[in-house]
Amino acid sequence: QSALTQPASVSGSPGQSITISCTGTSSDVGGYNYVSWYQQHPGKAPKLMIYDVSKRPSGVSNRFSGSKSGNTASLTISGLQAEDEADYYCSSYTSSSTWVFGGGTKLTVL
Amino acid sequence: EVQLVESGGGVVRPGGSLRLSCAASGFTFDDYGMSWVRQAPGKGLEWVSGINWNGGSTGYADSVKGRFTISRDNAKNSLYLQMNSLRAEDTALYHCARDQGVAQKDWGQGTLVTVSS
Repeated sequence: QSALTQPASVSGSPGQSITISCTGTSSDVGGYNYVSWYQQHPGKAPKLMIYDVSKRPSGVSNRFSGSKSGNTASLTISGLQAEDEADYYCSSYTSSSTWVFGGGTKLTVL
Repeated sequence: EVQLVESGGGVVRPGGSLRLSCAASGFTFDDYGMSWVRQAPGKGLEWVSGINWNGGSTGYADSVKGRFTISRDNAKNSLYLQMNSLRAEDTALYHCARDQGVAQKDWGQGTLVTVSS
C-alpha cells in the first residue's frame, strides 16, 4: 500500500489554470475508475471535490475537473481564485479492497 | 445536514489501547459504509479502516491490521475504532467519514490520539 505520488507544491496566479498529478500503479489508479480528490484548508476537515475520476459532488464549482490516463490521474483547477489555496489530496480504491491517498500537494495562489 | 462527531481521543502510552467513537446524524446511517482516516501532525491523509453498511465487510490498512478493529452500531448511529498495541506512529488526528460510492463524502473534525510515554 504505497502512497500515490503527488508533487509537493504547485502555484499559479489568479485566473490561471493549474494541474495536479497523482501517479499510482495498475493495482490502484490504473485499475479502477475510483480516483477522488480532496481539498483541505488549514485546520479544517477535508472536502470531497472530485470522485470517480471526473464527477463533481453537488455544490463543487465547475472550475474543478478531473481526468485519468493510465496510472496517472489529474486535477485541474481553472480560473484560479485566492480561496483555492489549500492542500489537495488524491485517493484511489485498490485491488486489496482498501483506499490509498497521495502525499498531498500544497497549492499557492500567487 | 450531515454531522459526524468523533470522540475518545487522548494521550496513551505505547502498547496501550483506546476506543474511538463517531456519532452520526443527518442521514440514514445504515444506508452507508463508513471509514476512519487519520492525519499525523503536519502530514498527509492515511486511510485506516472501512466498514460496509451492516458491518459484514471490513478492511484495514497494512499499518494497523491485527491491532485495530472497526465496528458499528446501527441502532445507535455510531461508528467505532478499537485501537490496541498503540505505537508512537499512530499519533494522529482521526477522522470518521461517510462513504458515498467509492469515496469519502463527508468528514468529521476529528479526535486527536497521542501515543507517548
